[in-house]
Amino acid sequence: KNEVEQSPQNLTAQEGEFITINCSYSVGISALHWLQQHPGGGIVSLFMLSSGKKKHGRLIATINIQEKHSSLHITASHPRDSAVYICAVPLYGGSQGNLIFGKGTKLSVKP
Amino acid sequence: DTAVSQTPKYLVTQMGNDKSIKCEQNLGHDTMYWYKQDSKKFLKIMFSYNNKELIINETVPNRFSPKSPDKAHLNLHINSLELGDSAVYFCASSPEGQGQTFGSGTRLTVV
Repeated sequence: KNEVEQSPQNLTAQEGEFITINCSYSVGISALHWLQQHPGGGIVSLFMLSSGKKKHGRLIATINIQEKHSSLHITASHPRDSAVYICAVPLYGGSQGNLIFGKGTKLSVKP
Repeated sequence: DTAVSQTPKYLVTQMGNDKSIKCEQNLGHDTMYWYKQDSKKFLKIMFSYNNKELIINETVPNRFSPKSPDKAHLNLHINSLELGDSAVYFCASSPEGQGQTFGSGTRLTVV
């Protein structure tokens, strides 16, 4: 079974700072998910990636399949980016099936 | 025209009762999921289901059962509710092999 570690657990940044959140896992996969949970509780899927890099606005996700590691970057952070960011991978590896989630990184961006 | 809708949003019930949470998606996705988020905000998969198979997380008690009347619905039935079942339950759906769209969650409180 896969295990997921995220770091840091909590992160406080000033508006405008570049943010990096890390995720590592133990069993080889070919798809990793990054999710965002807003303070109100709603969950949004940010990225599903299997190699290289994906970009959406100020968010960039990278993955290194060989290293079993992914990073989520936020450029020019803003208070509205304050949320919990969660990494998830297939529980038994591969690309599909049930997901196992990291414990999340709580990001707070101060104005 | 919400993509994944769950009802009710809040549910307060007594121990020992049987309750259901409904989930509907209008995205034409093949697979639907139920997740539990506990008081520590840790997300865990409970079930995933498409028209071919049901994948059950082995840690889910058999008091929980998913019911799918059709491809657009995956309802969660819970029998003999216990205090420890109090949590936020999220439904999600996805096309096969792609990222998931989440519902807004149902906060269940067992008293």
